Amino acid sequence: GAVVSQHPSRVICKSGTSVKIECRSLDFQATTMFWYRQFPKQSLMLMATSNEGSKATYEQGVEKDKFLINHASLTLSTLTVTSAHPEDSSFYICSARVVAGGGKETQYFGPGTRLLVL
Amino acid sequence: EDQVTQSPEALRLQEGESSSLNCSYTVSGLRGLFWYRQDPGKGPEFLFTLYSAGEEKEKERLKATLTKKESFLHITAPKPEDSATYLCAGRGGADGLTFGKGTHLIIQP
Repeated sequence: GAVVSQHPSRVICKSGTSVKIECRSLDFQATTMFWYRQFPKQSLMLMATSNEGSKATYEQGVEKDKFLINHASLTLSTLTVTSAHPEDSSFYICSARVVAGGGKETQYFGPGTRLLVL
Repeated sequence: EDQVTQSPEALRLQEGESSSLNCSYTVSGLRGLFWYRQDPGKGPEFLFTLYSAGEEKEKERLKATLTKKESFLHITAPKPEDSATYLCAGRGGADGLTFGKGTHLIIQP
């Protein structure tokens, strides 16, 4: 299957600082990537859809000015958590969509980034 | 609003004891029903995508099936290394996936 990487895998920061998380598709090009957030013992919740060369689409309740997304190339999307606060502490996971013939698709996920805001 | 509900929340089996995990979904215009495996502290690992009722897919000890309202993940003669959280997700008209809360599966030796 396709490989998606994330960096960093773990980050600890002070409240009020900004953190950037990278998501890369290693062996394929992805015009569409997604960012999810997962709180302890909860499922994954979609935050935003990242489209190469255009603005991201955010889910209801997700602040676009706080979670900045950039998808400048077909293999890289970045999520920047601006002015992070303790309630932003979570597990952030990206995915990339692979579309095969006949409209069939798969979303491959990265290994996740654990963010802890002190 | 799309919804995906998984049951049971947790399941403990003896090694070799087969069982099934359930995923009930209400997804408008279903364009795919996905199964993933997630180990603690890791991202989800892709298992299957099912597209239409009646479709079945298999991989090693796992078999996924789909009806118009549910999907099942059957585990045959599981081994301890099959212990993980199994996630079900649906894709409707939107691009992203709607996930269930998962079934935490423990296989005891």
